Amino acid sequence: EAQVTQNPRYLITVTGKKLTVTCSQNMNHEYMSWYRQDPGLGLRQIYYSMNVEVTDKGDVPEGYKVSRKEKRNFPLILESPSPNQTSLYFCASSRGPRYEQYFGPGTRLTVT
Amino acid sequence: QKEVEQDPGPLSVPEGAIVSLNCTYSNSAFQYFMWYRQYSRKGPELLMYTYSSGNKEDGRFTAQVDKSSKYISLFIRDSQPSDSATYLCAFDYKLSFGAGTTVTVRA
Repeated sequence: EAQVTQNPRYLITVTGKKLTVTCSQNMNHEYMSWYRQDPGLGLRQIYYSMNVEVTDKGDVPEGYKVSRKEKRNFPLILESPSPNQTSLYFCASSRGPRYEQYFGPGTRLTVT
Repeated sequence: QKEVEQDPGPLSVPEGAIVSLNCTYSNSAFQYFMWYRQYSRKGPELLMYTYSSGNKEDGRFTAQVDKSSKYISLFIRDSQPSDSATYLCAFDYKLSFGAGTTVTVRA
């Protein structure tokens, strides 16, 4: 089954404790991206990757890091999480930004 | 001015009504226009995709694009309770999303 998986689905952590949210796709897509979704603000792109070892900032990259060492994986790293990073996070993959984006199930992160 | 503006609603309609959703945009570089549907506690899924001005129909759904006015619409005919979801407009180039409109169809 073609899918994007994210782990964990739910995470509660404390300020400053480094965390990683994993994302994996099995569709051989070159383009992957991370979004955060907040009430009233919709989906905002954090980072995207056009291919392996090629990443670039989206609209809200501050406080986040990503890496793309393999085509299928695109982890999101929060080196020092803060409460304003409490949000619902989605990973997505596609053949490119102009193609249908396939979204993962989401990760709800709470930073206290 | 935001690059994409979408009325967040919420919108509540009786079953069978026509639902009308709209987005305006400011970036004339946008060439591809999409509507995603997001059910509660799920990721968004592509509903409609167009790349030119005019109308595109798919069953009960019609997507309309007016590039000259920088305005796109989604119409849902004969709305059903299963159409209750958040609808997000999306645009290529930077893959910009609207904030989403939450729709509830009352049985």
